Amino acid sequence: AQSVTQLGSHVSVSEGALVLLRCNYSSSVPPYLFWYVQYPNQGLQLLLKYTSAATLVKGINGFEAEFKKSETSFHLTKPSAHMSDAAEYFCAVSDQGFGNEKLTFGTGTRLTIIP
Amino acid sequence: DGGITQSPKYLFRKEGQNVTLSCEQNLNHDAMYWYRQDPGQGLRLIYYSQIVNDFQKGDIAEGYSVSREKKESFPLTVTSAQKNPTAFYLCASRTGGGTGEQYFGPGTRLTVT
Repeated sequence: AQSVTQLGSHVSVSEGALVLLRCNYSSSVPPYLFWYVQYPNQGLQLLLKYTSAATLVKGINGFEAEFKKSETSFHLTKPSAHMSDAAEYFCAVSDQGFGNEKLTFGTGTRLTIIP
Repeated sequence: DGGITQSPKYLFRKEGQNVTLSCEQNLNHDAMYWYRQDPGQGLRLIYYSQIVNDFQKGDIAEGYSVSREKKESFPLTVTSAQKNPTAFYLCASRTGGGTGEQYFGPGTRLTVT
C-alpha cells in the first residue's frame, strides 16, 4: 500500500524567503503525486501534479515540485514567500496499480509567513 | 461555472440526531468521495463511489451512510452511531480514468453537542 510522509507539521518562513515543504512517498508502482493547498475553512485546491512526464513540475502561485525517484521525494518549493501563501499544504499519492481510484494524503504542513 | 457545492457551510445538531450533508457536482465526473478532516490528522476517507448505484467503504465508514442515485449527487448521512461526529467534512470528485487528481468542494463544518 502506498503512503505519504510530510516532514514538519509546521513551517515558518520570512516573507521573501525560500519555501520548502517536504514530502516522501512509498508506492509499489510508479505513482502519480499531487500537492494541494487549503486555506482556513475552505476545501483543497490542486497546486500541481506529477504524472511521469517532466520531473520538475510547475504549478499555480509560483510553486514547483521536483520528483526524485532515487529519494522517493516530491518536495514543494517557492523561491520567495508571500503573505498570501500562509495555508496548509497536503501531499498526496495515487497508485496507478489500482487505477488511481483513491488518493492517500499526508497529514499536512501548516505554513506560516513572518512579515 | 463547473464545480462542487456542499451545503450548508455550517451545521449544528444535537447528539443522537442523524444529519445529512449535501454534495453536488456539475463536472460530469464519474467518481465522488467523502472525507473527514480533524486537526493534525489530514484527510480520512469515509466512502467513495465510482459509478451511480455503487459505493465502497473507506477507512472510517462506521457510523456513516451514503447513496449515489444520481451521477451529480452523493449525500452523506452522519448517524447517531458515529461516536465523534464533530468535524470538517469534504466532498470531492474525479473524472474516470485520468491521473487520479480529485477536485474538492468548500466543505461543511458539523458541530454536534
